[in-house]
Amino acid sequence: EAQVTQNPRYLITVTGKKLTVTCSQNMNHEYMSWYRQDPGLGLRQIYYSMNVEVTDKGDVPEGYKVSRKEKRNFPLILESPSPNQTSLYFCASSLSGAGGYTFGSGTRLTVV
Amino acid sequence: KNEVEQSPQNLTAQEGEFITINCSYSVGISALHWLQQHPGGGIVSLFMLSSGKKKHGRLIATINIQEKHSSLHITASHPRDSAVYICAVRPNYGGSQGNLIFGKGTKLSVKP
Repeated sequence: EAQVTQNPRYLITVTGKKLTVTCSQNMNHEYMSWYRQDPGLGLRQIYYSMNVEVTDKGDVPEGYKVSRKEKRNFPLILESPSPNQTSLYFCASSLSGAGGYTFGSGTRLTVV
Repeated sequence: KNEVEQSPQNLTAQEGEFITINCSYSVGISALHWLQQHPGGGIVSLFMLSSGKKKHGRLIATINIQEKHSSLHITASHPRDSAVYICAVRPNYGGSQGNLIFGKGTKLSVKP
């Protein structure tokens, strides 16, 4: 089944403790991206990647890192999480960025 | 800076009604997406448009590039259509091929 898999689905962590949210797709898509969704603000793009080893900032990249060492994986790294990064996170992929998107199921992160 | 505006924010309809959700944007775009987010949180891509009109089942999406406006129509609405509908645009200005800008969403509730 074609899908984007995010893990974990839920995560509660403490301020400053490094964490990684994984994202993997099995559709051989070149384009992958990360978003956060907050009440009243909607979805905002964090980072995106047009291909392996190519990443670029979205609208809200501060406090996040990404890497794209292989086509299928695009992890989101929070080196020192803070409470303002409490949010619902989505990963998505697309064949080229110019086509339709497939979204992961979301990761609800709480930083206390 | 609200580059993508949706209306209405909330919409309640009776089963069977014809529904229209509007999206206006202020930037030049290469494509516009309509997304559906169910109460469980998952996001599904409904349409990608760069011109004209697309239809899938009871859903119809139209776009007018000159007027910078798109509409999503649902015919013969059903309670299972209850969801948040999100408009997103991909700007066509240089260096932003991978960036998406989202509207804040329209929450639709269809009563039986």
